[in-house]
Amino acid sequence: AQKVTQAQTEISVVEKEDVTLDCVYETRDTTYYLFWYKQPPSGELVFLIRRNSFDEQNEISGRYSWNFQKSTSSFNFTITASQVVDSAVYFCALSGQGKNTGTASKLTFGTGTRLQVTL
Amino acid sequence: DTGVSQDPRHKITKRGQNVTFRCDPISEHNRLYWYRQTLGQGPEFLTYFQNEAQLEKSRLLSDRFSAERPKGSFSTLEIQRTEQGDSAMYLCASSLLRSDTQYFGPGTRLTVL
Repeated sequence: AQKVTQAQTEISVVEKEDVTLDCVYETRDTTYYLFWYKQPPSGELVFLIRRNSFDEQNEISGRYSWNFQKSTSSFNFTITASQVVDSAVYFCALSGQGKNTGTASKLTFGTGTRLQVTL
Repeated sequence: DTGVSQDPRHKITKRGQNVTFRCDPISEHNRLYWYRQTLGQGPEFLTYFQNEAQLEKSRLLSDRFSAERPKGSFSTLEIQRTEQGDSAMYLCASSLLRSDTQYFGPGTRLTVL
């Protein structure tokens, strides 16, 4: 069985602070995929990033960065210089390898971390 | 290129009624997924299609739930004899066969009175 744990239920920061959202996962698959999605108040899930289990390189995209560590089964997400527009619920998700295609299949989500950025 | 669309966006129904939701995936996306999200929780997988074939169903999908994707394009999710516990946001996502990334629609919020 696959499991994603996001221990931080809510985080509140002041604009321009850096913030890290934690994600810990469990899987028995040797090949798997990790994702982060953002859910703003409008409700639509917005894809942010995907990571394959065989690619442990960290990634930076503008103010966003991700730290993938297989040794600790973690895939943490950092927002640098947070902005009010970053306020949302952030979900970490995990997918095993699909049986027929070798690519990702259904997603297992964590319970999400609500980030509130204030002025 | 338009994203995933879902209709209706909101549905209020009385307990015991049947409801049907529609999802139109991104053009040329072979895979289509249905998830359910309740307040304060992450989305939970319900079922998915590869073209018109339904490849997997969750145990969450009771026999009151049925999904179809008859021509491998849009999909419908029907709930028969709705119960108050069915109240949730129903999310649809699509992806390419050779891609790992699912793109989500805006969801259909169901309220069962």
